[in-house]
Amino acid sequence: EAGVTQSPTHLIKTRGQQATLRCSPISGHTSVYWYQQALGLGLQFLLWYDEGEERNRGNFPPRFSGRQFPNYSSELNVNALELEDSALYLCASSFLRGRGQTGELFFGEGSRLTVL
Amino acid sequence: RKEVEQDPGPFNVPEGATVAFNCTYSNSASQSFFWYRQDCRKEPKLLMSVYSSGNEDGRFTAQLNRASQYISLLIRDSKLSDSATYLCVVRGSGNTPLVFGKGTRLSVIA
Repeated sequence: EAGVTQSPTHLIKTRGQQATLRCSPISGHTSVYWYQQALGLGLQFLLWYDEGEERNRGNFPPRFSGRQFPNYSSELNVNALELEDSALYLCASSFLRGRGQTGELFFGEGSRLTVL
Repeated sequence: RKEVEQDPGPFNVPEGATVAFNCTYSNSASQSFFWYRQDCRKEPKLLMSVYSSGNEDGRFTAQLNRASQYISLLIRDSKLSDSATYLCVVRGSGNTPLVFGKGTRLSVIA
């Protein structure tokens, strides 16, 4: 069974440009999470989608946005890129059991964004 | 105060050693606790959940102290393959996302 897949693996952009990152969750998982892992900062929560709706949002500016499609795949968009947006962007999926989370997130290998 | 705090390490230990990692969390309403493992340049993976009564999985033992808001992970008989970063992870009540600590790096040396 395929795990969480992300694309592109690497992306190089310049300041002010826009980046789009994509994620396909594990089959049967309805929740998709986006985390940013910058050097020395650990994983920072960005966005959480479930059943096409945004469930929660981390402490990031509005230029970080995303969506979830009917097939549960997701897209993260970062507008007006800044140098400090350079990081590994990790997507994870999980299955919401009833009204709660199972706790285990399955991560993709990430998309490494470099902003020059 | 950070939501989840860990000693960054690195912890350099010989094979066969016992090593303990500690973690504190700030949200007293936190409901779920986990340890994840992240190998160099790889994605994080769930190592084990942490239960109030403490739990063990082979060489790994996790403990939770809700009163002190403290979580620990003990690794016995360290193997070279245990070398990784260990992430302490906490979830609050309701539909809140998992909050990750920065991780503690472990290097097991032959």
